[in-house]
Amino acid sequence: DTGVSQDPRHKITKRGQNVTFRCDPISEHNRLYWYRQTLGQGPEFLTYFQNEAQLEKSRLLSDRFSAERPKGSFSTLEIQRTEQGDSAMYLCASSLGSGANEQFFGPGTRLTVL
Amino acid sequence: GDSVTQMEGPVTLSEEAFLTINCTYTATGYPSLFWYVQYPGEGLQLLLKATKADDKGSNKGFEATYRKETTSFHLEKGSVQVSDSAVYFCALSEKTSGSRLTFGEGTQLTVNP
Repeated sequence: DTGVSQDPRHKITKRGQNVTFRCDPISEHNRLYWYRQTLGQGPEFLTYFQNEAQLEKSRLLSDRFSAERPKGSFSTLEIQRTEQGDSAMYLCASSLGSGANEQFFGPGTRLTVL
Repeated sequence: GDSVTQMEGPVTLSEEAFLTINCTYTATGYPSLFWYVQYPGEGLQLLLKATKADDKGSNKGFEATYRKETTSFHLEKGSVQVSDSAVYFCALSEKTSGSRLTFGEGTQLTVNP
């Protein structure tokens, strides 16, 4: 399967702990996006990369959040000092180029903060 | 900023009924418009798209027409099936904003036999 993969699929953590999620995009895709989806809502944009450069961050992305894409391939999203409000599905998507090119989504990582 | 508004849901229909899910948008430029679908237990999938005014996107019997004058992109299907039960998201992207997707709230569709 050559789709977008995310790991882990589920993460349960205690408030105050740090968590890290990984996304592996489709191999030739140069753009990678992170979104967050809470129950009953549409996904909200967090940040995106073109190759290894992080080009935009949403104001939703507080200082506790950091994302990297060190070699322009996989990406990680780290949340430090997690809060209960961070509980959500974290989605990764990749695309070839920009504009109306389709973004392919991974299955998501569901985070539960106790 | 950009925004997308979908009709309030959920929507429950009988098999073979006609489906309309309304979507309107606000954008500063000339966005591309999309419908994504999320089947139970699966990730988001692109259903159809349109990139300019009066374009019609279509796939799997679903259609949507990009109406610039009414800033709308309503999703329609003439005869729904039980297998169409899913959550449908309208979305837009603009090149000036990095082509990130701005999604509506989603509409849960349930089709009963």
